[in-house]
This record gives sequence, C-alpha cells and structure tokens, in this order.
Amino acid sequence: RKEVEQDPGPFNVPEGATVAFNCTYSNSASQSFFWYRQDCRKEPKLLMSVYSSGNEDGRFTAQLNRASQYISLLIRDSKLSDSATYLCVVNRVGNEKLTFGTGTRLTIIP
Amino acid sequence: GAVVSQHPSWVICKSGTSVKIECRSLDFQATTMFWYRQFPKQSLMLMATSNEGSKATYEQGVEKDKFLINHASLTLSTLTVTSAHPEDSSFYICSARHLGRSDYGYTFGSGTRLTVV
Repeated sequence: RKEVEQDPGPFNVPEGATVAFNCTYSNSASQSFFWYRQDCRKEPKLLMSVYSSGNEDGRFTAQLNRASQYISLLIRDSKLSDSATYLCVVNRVGNEKLTFGTGTRLTIIP
Repeated sequence: GAVVSQHPSWVICKSGTSVKIECRSLDFQATTMFWYRQFPKQSLMLMATSNEGSKATYEQGVEKDKFLINHASLTLSTLTVTSAHPEDSSFYICSARHLGRSDYGYTFGSGTRLTVV
C-alpha cells in the first residue's frame, strides 16, 4: 500500500463549480500535511498547509481528519487557472523528508 | 526570497554519457538539499538527501554510484547521472529547506527534464 494515496482523476469540472479531492495516508506518525500544485512539466508549488482545525485560503479549504487519516481540499468557484495536478504531501515526526501522493489531475472546462 | 535555481532545465544526451544537474540556493543557505525524480504520471520519488560537507543519504533502490551527489557548499548541490541510459529519462527536481519561511520552508528548483537517447 502506498504511504499517500490519491484518486488520480482526471477531474473535468466546469468553470465556477466546486470540486473536492481526498487523500489518505497510511503512516499514523505523519505530522505535517500539505497540498501542492504542479503544472505540466513544472516543479510543485505549495498551495497550502493543512492544519488540524482546518484552514481556508480564499477559494481553497483544507481539512484534516487524523482519526481516519485523510486530508481533503475543496476548491470553490473554480477558475480556468486552477487546472493543474494537486499533490497531497505528508511529513513524519522528526523527519525532514516529504512523501508525495501521485496527484489528482484537475481540468477546468470553460 | 528563498529561490532555488536549477540548471539545466532540459538536456538530451546520448546513452553512456554523464549529465550534471546543478541546484543553487540564491538567497539563503541550504544545509540540506533533497533530490527527486518524477516519471510521467507518477509521483515525485525521493532519491537522496544531500547534506553540506558530508555524504548524501540515498533512498532504498537508488544506486549511489550511478547518481553522484555533491554538496560542497551551503548554496550548491549537484546531481550527476553517470553512464545514463534511456530508462534514466525522467524529470529531476531538487528541493531545499529554508527555515526562515513560514510555509514549513521547502523550496523547489524548476526541474530538469533529462532525455537519454
């Protein structure tokens, strides 16, 4: 079983719609959680960190459920520029290494 | 701030030759640099962790004699793919941790697309 699992998609969503991604992680020692965005043939860029209480940044909302070991990302009022691959990333206690999920590919349709 | 410059952005080389990829932290000191590889439609896989002034730590299954890492200064880490073969064709990305950043501090280079023919 992969340490971080995501539905690869693709998700094809009309502009303006709301879309949600989930991610599960297998290592209960995971401490820090992030969503990164990766455009085609580019490096990943941090979208947002995920906090235990959940957090929001504009149209983006991240939630963490430690008991069920899953993380979610909600995008409201989706824009064409949101088209990208979204990577779920976790980090373990006392370990600098990041573990990446395979990514969920999102395409926003005009 | 916290920029990592990676070069080259793409390279095509013949099978059997070696290719060097450089990552420089431009405005901060990177004591640790991480090297990843990403195959099409797959996740970033950590290859090795490079520490300034010491030997790199390689992940299981990564050949240290094939992927040579040098981190001789606080601002430069290099990855050399030796005797490259077509199966080494991939997207290689470095990342450094900048403790001064609020977002946990990982900055990525722009990646190097290696094609071995």
